[in-house]
Amino acid sequence: GAGVSQSPSNKVTEKGKDVELRCDPISGHTALYWYRQSLGQGLEFLIYFQGNSAPDKSGLPSDRFSAERTGGSVSTLTIQRTQQEDSAVYLCASSPRRTSGRSGELFFGEGSRLTVL
Amino acid sequence: KNQVEQSPQSLIILEGKNCTLQCNYTVSPFSNLRWYKQDTGRGPVSLTIMTFSENTKSNGRYTATLDADTKQSSLHITASQLSDSASYICVVSGSGGGADGLTFGKGTHLIIQP
Repeated sequence: GAGVSQSPSNKVTEKGKDVELRCDPISGHTALYWYRQSLGQGLEFLIYFQGNSAPDKSGLPSDRFSAERTGGSVSTLTIQRTQQEDSAVYLCASSPRRTSGRSGELFFGEGSRLTVL
Repeated sequence: KNQVEQSPQSLIILEGKNCTLQCNYTVSPFSNLRWYKQDTGRGPVSLTIMTFSENTKSNGRYTATLDADTKQSSLHITASQLSDSASYICVVSGSGGGADGLTFGKGTHLIIQP
């Protein structure tokens, strides 16, 4: 596709349920990132995938959060046993190469807005 | 610890006026600095990138500056338009550190009033 695609755009769930958020990066981009943005707050890093390397999971807030990236393309962020504090916009971004030490631009999706009741 | 501080947190100006947003960072070693614009309900979009050797760069009505000695950057918006209403995020890239070397500021929320 022309840009990063995320689905669903909006998700309302009940506390304790599991949710899956999907990200389709720009074709050919090797790097993929997940961020969380709470209302009025900055972007909080969650997880980073680069090619076939082991993902950087250092930003995941708890073991209820996990993510995978299949075939170096589509990524799914899973939140188990959702809590009200998980309510936020989850943004996915892709980049054509490593940004560390380089000038790689992040291309963001529109985000998935999660509301936990 | 790598940090990026942005000021002001929020700003309201009248259409047609100029404004300047600030970004101070302590990321080391420094690689580059990007300004992103995030419209309400959308993902951030890159406006400009500043590398160590660049002092100023313009993109239309947006002009970014970088002082690598004082570790400060600014984003100046000239003749503001209603469409400039958005959050402006400063992102600094270093050669090391977690999160792929990227440190995000919390953003400046800019509102342009008619």
